Amino acid sequence: QSVLTQPPSASATPGQRVTISCSGSSPNFRHNTVNWYQQLPGMAPKLLIFATDQRPSGVPDRFSGSKSGASASLAISGLQSDDEADYYCAAWDDSLNGHWVFGGGTKLTVL
Amino acid sequence: QITLKESGPTLVRPTQTLTLTCTFSGFSLYTGGVGVGWIRQPPGKALEWLALIYWDDGKRYSPSLRSRLTITKDTSRNQVVLTMTDMDPVDTGTYYCAHRGMVADTVITFDYWGQGTLVTVSS
Repeated sequence: QSVLTQPPSASATPGQRVTISCSGSSPNFRHNTVNWYQQLPGMAPKLLIFATDQRPSGVPDRFSGSKSGASASLAISGLQSDDEADYYCAAWDDSLNGHWVFGGGTKLTVL
Repeated sequence: QITLKESGPTLVRPTQTLTLTCTFSGFSLYTGGVGVGWIRQPPGKALEWLALIYWDDGKRYSPSLRSRLTITKDTSRNQVVLTMTDMDPVDTGTYYCAHRGMVADTVITFDYWGQGTLVTVSS
């Protein structure tokens, strides 16, 4: 079963830009797209980015996604205090009859 | 407007079978490309994907939990049911169901989530 590795924490001050990485162990990760989810404290996760770099309607363009090889990234620019949340990457893995994998999550602190 | 809501027991004894129901509105499992998945989250820990069922009754399971999970759908009642056998205290957590759909030719997985239901496994 593949693993998606995220840094456990990240921090930045309001107005700054922060990047959260997501590295995949499976060879399939290089070929599949990545989703990103934001989870505010006590809330259900919310889809931020799908298909690696697409934003659902209503998600500000301060949030952007990218991927290169075995590593994906979520960038948040113009950081705001209410961006403080847990962020998860997720990707489909074609092995073992196909399954979804979530990263371990990154706790973003706005200083 | 798409909504999903999980229901089921809040307390389960070890070795028992957990049955959770996801009741949804705003979409149909008769529609091509649509699916419903289950994801759980132990307290203070990361999200873990469990299972996904598609409009055509295709099913996918977490490799590590496959032997314990069954996902089914009742399309006419807009419900998806997840059963997990042989429950253990480590299975304690919030269980979410979520929508999988399509926009044009692009799959969007888990774009709408239920509020989650907390299941505690304890004797």
